[in-house]
Amino acid sequence: DADVTQTPRNRITKTGKRIMLECSQTKGHDRMYWYRQDPGLGLRLIYYSFDVKDINKGEISDGYSVSRQAQAKFSLSLESAIPNQTALYFCATSGGGQNTGELFFGEGSRLTVL
Amino acid sequence: QQQVKQSPQSLIVQKGGISIINCAYENTAFDYFPWYQQFPGKGPALLIAIRPDVSEKKEGRFTISFNKSAKQFSLHIMDSQPGDSATYFCAGGNTGKLIFGQGTTLQVKP
Repeated sequence: DADVTQTPRNRITKTGKRIMLECSQTKGHDRMYWYRQDPGLGLRLIYYSFDVKDINKGEISDGYSVSRQAQAKFSLSLESAIPNQTALYFCATSGGGQNTGELFFGEGSRLTVL
Repeated sequence: QQQVKQSPQSLIVQKGGISIINCAYENTAFDYFPWYQQFPGKGPALLIAIRPDVSEKKEGRFTISFNKSAKQFSLHIMDSQPGDSATYFCAGGNTGKLIFGQGTTLQVKP
């Protein structure tokens, strides 16, 4: 089983719908992240969390929200999806501490907003 | 504002050749500079990383060269192989947060 699991792996939705992407991890890491990947733009940080009570905005948080339900679970929500949120979304974890950090990524959730 | 700029966007190299990907960063607070490799359908995975107190790090065929004064670093892949064909991302980070470059798609021709 994968250490970082994302669901769903693929989702097609319509403009205005609410969407939730879920991430769970078995690595025991405190730090979790959501990134978005677009061709030519690389990976951009949406939100990150260093523990259950800590939530921080990243580079492109507008239009997104997150919830850290437990150490192992971090979900990303799009309250009202729009077409330019069509992208590949990655969840990642890190052990933190002295190490700024190797990130361990899930296999991604491809979202299409029509 | 792109804090980490990566070039080229795509690269084609013959088998056995040297692949070079360059990155420039703006944030002088960055204290960790990793390179990630991503194969189609997979998430990125750490390839090699360097901290700013050294100018070069080598792991097998992969070398990072780091120029702190110029705020630039590069990945060199020696003896490139078809199995190296992937997308490569540089990044800069501190306090546990990584900012990535735009990515480079490398194709190594047999």
